[in-house]
Amino acid sequence: VHLVESGGGLVQPGGSLRLSCTASGFMFSTFGMHWVRQAPGKGLEWVALIWFDGDNKYYADSVRGRFTISRDNSKNTLFLQMNSLRADDTAVYYCARVSLDYGDNSLDLWGQGTLVTVSS
Amino acid sequence: SYGLTQSPSVSVSPGQTARITCSGDALPKQYTYWYQQKAGQAPVLVIYKDMGRPSGIPERFSGSSSGTTVTLTISGVQEEDEADYYCQSPDSSGTFVVFGGGTKLTVL
Repeated sequence: VHLVESGGGLVQPGGSLRLSCTASGFMFSTFGMHWVRQAPGKGLEWVALIWFDGDNKYYADSVRGRFTISRDNSKNTLFLQMNSLRADDTAVYYCARVSLDYGDNSLDLWGQGTLVTVSS
Repeated sequence: SYGLTQSPSVSVSPGQTARITCSGDALPKQYTYWYQQKAGQAPVLVIYKDMGRPSGIPERFSGSSSGTTVTLTISGVQEEDEADYYCQSPDSSGTFVVFGGGTKLTVL
């Protein structure tokens, strides 16, 4: 049972980046998914949530209108399209699974994270 | 916007009991979850719905709730428990995820 993020890297302010999260070992299409980020030396910050079927999406105020969460259940993959990037978006970005066993507000499986650095 | 408040740090000696608190106005109405994050690693869920313990989490981890404050208790702390601990709860609408600022547990 794994989540593996990819797509991070160095991008200039105002630029765009698309993160991916590939799931394996469980039925991806039945789970809601989150993106959570962590700036260097800082705490966890929730970014976005998408329901299992992709019908409902929710965003933190800090990214609404700039980031878009989506998923392709046929490819077991979650995405985060990030536009108009700013220096304060610099962080490790984690994908995480909504738990079906421990309450649908908990995150019971996390990827290892991918680093996004926004700098000129 | 809604926030959860944690003390920045707690220090205990091995074998002692560590208590980490988290406060928020919506906590009487919403469950709280706790995550352990060791250096350089992804977070791990250690307590769910205020006091449940996921499979594989040692019995020395427990949770409790009283009013607007929830507490993570680690009994008989071991050196391997040194980590950052985050509480998490939805906002009052139940929709948006909120994390506390994190508490660094140091095992002396």
